[in-house]
Amino acid sequence: TQLLEQSPQFLSIQEGENLTVYCNSSSVFSSLQWYRQEPGEGPVLLVTVVTGGEVKKLKRLTFQFGDARKDSSLHITAAQPGDTGLYLCAGPEGGADGLTFGKGTHLIIQP
Amino acid sequence: IAGITQAPTSQILAAGRRMTLRCTQDMRHNAMYWYRQDLGLGLRLIHYSNTAGTTGKGEVPDGYSVSRANTDDFPLTLASAVPSQTSVYFCASITVPRSSPLHFGNGTRLTVT
Repeated sequence: TQLLEQSPQFLSIQEGENLTVYCNSSSVFSSLQWYRQEPGEGPVLLVTVVTGGEVKKLKRLTFQFGDARKDSSLHITAAQPGDTGLYLCAGPEGGADGLTFGKGTHLIIQP
Repeated sequence: IAGITQAPTSQILAAGRRMTLRCTQDMRHNAMYWYRQDLGLGLRLIHYSNTAGTTGKGEVPDGYSVSRANTDDFPLTLASAVPSQTSVYFCASITVPRSSPLHFGNGTRLTVT
């Protein structure tokens, strides 16, 4: 099983601040996905990164895939309370054709 | 609205009882999955099915069984529930390629007493 380690596990910051969360592995992934999960709901896909070094932007969220395709980061600019949630990274799991998930970063943006 | 429906939303179950969690999708996805989510452990794959008629074991399959009689339905059965199976269970589906989104249901919160 390919492991994905996310850091930090918990992060609480004030509205308007910037933040970065990380997803790291010792294995190479063909792609990585980022999901956001709100309480009482299932995770929802934010973005998929496929090419090493790729940068994708989704409004105030910037996602980067490492050159070696072993890591990824999510940067949020001017965080808003609506950004609060659990952020999960995930990559393809070879045997099951499913996804293996990191344990997630619990993000709280305080007004 | 297209998506995944899970039932029940929540359940309290006595240890030793049998329980089936239901999952239905209307997106004609070929692959379906069951995950459990526990604080500090994240999402862990229980069982999966790449296509109707086939199933496979994930990371934590013990105590659980699944079936895939058709494309739409993927029930998860706990034959004799134990307290360690207290968790939130998510059903998900996907269609190839793997870079496409994994679609999740809203989960079943199960408490085994």
